[in-house]
Parts: sequence; C-alpha cells; structure tokens
Amino acid sequence: ELKVEQNPLFLSMQEGKNYTIYCNYSTTSDRLYWYRQDPGKSLESLFVLLSNGAVKQEGRLMASLDTKARLSTLHITAAVHDLSATYFCAVEWSGWYSGGGADGLTFGKGTHLIIQP
Amino acid sequence: EAGVTQFPSHSVIEKGQTVTLRCDPISGHDNLYWYRRVMGKEIKFLLHFVKESKQDESGMPNNRFLAERTGGTYSTLKVQPAELEDSGVYFCASSQPLLAGGRTGELFFGEGSRLTVL
Repeated sequence: ELKVEQNPLFLSMQEGKNYTIYCNYSTTSDRLYWYRQDPGKSLESLFVLLSNGAVKQEGRLMASLDTKARLSTLHITAAVHDLSATYFCAVEWSGWYSGGGADGLTFGKGTHLIIQP
Repeated sequence: EAGVTQFPSHSVIEKGQTVTLRCDPISGHDNLYWYRRVMGKEIKFLLHFVKESKQDESGMPNNRFLAERTGGTYSTLKVQPAELEDSGVYFCASSQPLLAGGRTGELFFGEGSRLTVL
C-alpha cells in the first residue's frame, strides 16, 4: 500500500524567510504532484514532477523530486503573505502499465502554512 | 471554460438521512474521480470512472455509498443512510487521458462538497 508522509504539518513563518516542505512516499511512482488549497477552494495544481531529478519553479516556489530516495521537496524562497495556504503532495498510482485502467492519487496530510508579516 | 463544479457546496443532515452529491466534470473529460477528506485526515481516493464505467471503487468506505455516472457525463455520490463518520469534504476531479485509453492527464479538482452529519 502506497503511503505518503508530509512534514511539517503546520508551519508558521515570517515574510522574507525560506523554508522547505518534505514529502516522502513508500513505493515506486513516476508522478508526484503538489497542490495548493485556500480555505473553501478547490485544489490548485502547482507542479507535476515526472522523473528523477525533476525540478520545477514558479515564482517563489520550487519543487524537486528524487525517485531513488522517494522524496520530494517544496521550497519557499523569501515567503510572502499571499503564499499562506495548505499545501498537499500527492503521489500517483496507476494500473495502466499492468493492463488495468484505474489510477488515483495518494495524498499527504497537508502542510498548513501561515506566513506572518 | 467552466471548471469542475460540485453541488451542494455544504450539506447538513441528520444521522440516518440520505444525501446526494453531484459533480459536473469539465466537458469532454472521460476520467472522473471522487475523493474525501475527513477532518484531520488525508484526502482519500474513493473511486474512478472512465466515462460511465467504474474502473476502481476500492476506496469506497462501505455499501452505504453509491456512485453513478449516467451517460458518462455528471456523477452523483449518494450516502444512505448517513452516519456521523461520513462528515467531511467530498472532492470531485476530472481529467482527459494523455492518449486514447491511456493514463490520465492533469487532474482538475472541484471546490468540494462539505457534508456535516449531526
């Protein structure tokens, strides 16, 4: 069974600081997603990481993937208040390669990020 | 283009009652998924439709939950009878396969339906 562990689960930080959220997963997968959720809103896709060593950046957020270590990181640079949200990593499982037609995501518990002025 | 829409956004019912949640995927998306987040827990997979066919419903908690996708368009998730532990946020997502009959492409999530069972 695929397990996804995310830490920290709660993070309060000041504007201008850097921090990293970690996502470990238990079995092989070739897709990892990072989502952002604002209260009462849908899950917004931030990054899709498809291969070992993949690194993607958007603004102050940068995500990386190490499939050998089964670890992904979401790094926040010079945080601003607008980045306050809950961030989820999700690892995809798929029956497609074995002939099945189903797939889905296993999510971490989420990191509730508060950035204070 | 309209995104994934879910209705109702919030439902409060009493234990033993029935509730039906609806999801309208993005037009043309063959894949439709239901997920659930119970308070303080992870977002959990419930099931996956490809068009009108259930591909995997291994995540459905028990037989009080029934999901349908009539004609491969919108989907409903019925909970009957509802129990206290069913409270949570139910998310729907949709996607297109990257290739015909192949793996899913990017998932688009709705805002969720919050269910409170008293």
